[in-house]
Amino acid sequence: GQSLEQPSEVTAVEGAIVQINCTYQTSGFYGLSWYQQHDGGAPTFLSYNALDGLEETGRFSSFLSRSDSYGYLLLQELQMKDSASYFCAVAQAGTALIFGKGTTLSVSS
Amino acid sequence: SQTIHQWPATLVQPVGSPLSLECTVEGTSNPNLYWYRQAAGRGLQLLFYSVGIGQISSEVPQNLSASRPQDRQFILSSKKLLLSDSGFYLCAWSDRGRSTGELFFGEGSRLTVL
Repeated sequence: GQSLEQPSEVTAVEGAIVQINCTYQTSGFYGLSWYQQHDGGAPTFLSYNALDGLEETGRFSSFLSRSDSYGYLLLQELQMKDSASYFCAVAQAGTALIFGKGTTLSVSS
Repeated sequence: SQTIHQWPATLVQPVGSPLSLECTVEGTSNPNLYWYRQAAGRGLQLLFYSVGIGQISSEVPQNLSASRPQDRQFILSSKKLLLSDSGFYLCAWSDRGRSTGELFFGEGSRLTVL
């Protein structure tokens, strides 16, 4: 089977940097995705890492280490609107994306 | 551009009643289609996915079923709802030709079973 672990909650203040970690156990691993979901809304895609290293998209960056079965989402210059749930998800052979349980990020002023 | 429509947005159903949620995608062909369920404050649970008309893979055995009668239409059904079926149901699509880990979600259907 497969499993993903990420912290359930993270808190930070505006302007800060926060890192949300994700460790996974799976077979036939293709890559790691990150999604953002605001309360009551649908998840939206943030990033996908198939290779080791850091991918940067504006204030958000995502990192993957295949050898460590580990990745993280880095959010910089936090804004109040970044308060949301963040999910890591593994892409693997033979099935669809499998999501972690999500990390609730609360940004305060 | 591609769009995904999902309905109804909200429904309240009694235990034992049937269910039908519908999802359609526009602006793309041969998409992969998915149904996920999210319990309150929880992660997304994969229910079904489809790579083509009539091709359905079930990830979790339960009283739900899915059908894909047309290329861009995906339907989630139940003959008799259980209390545990309450949740936020999300339809999604992905481009079959690209392996980018990117799903495009509909706005969701919030189901309450009483």
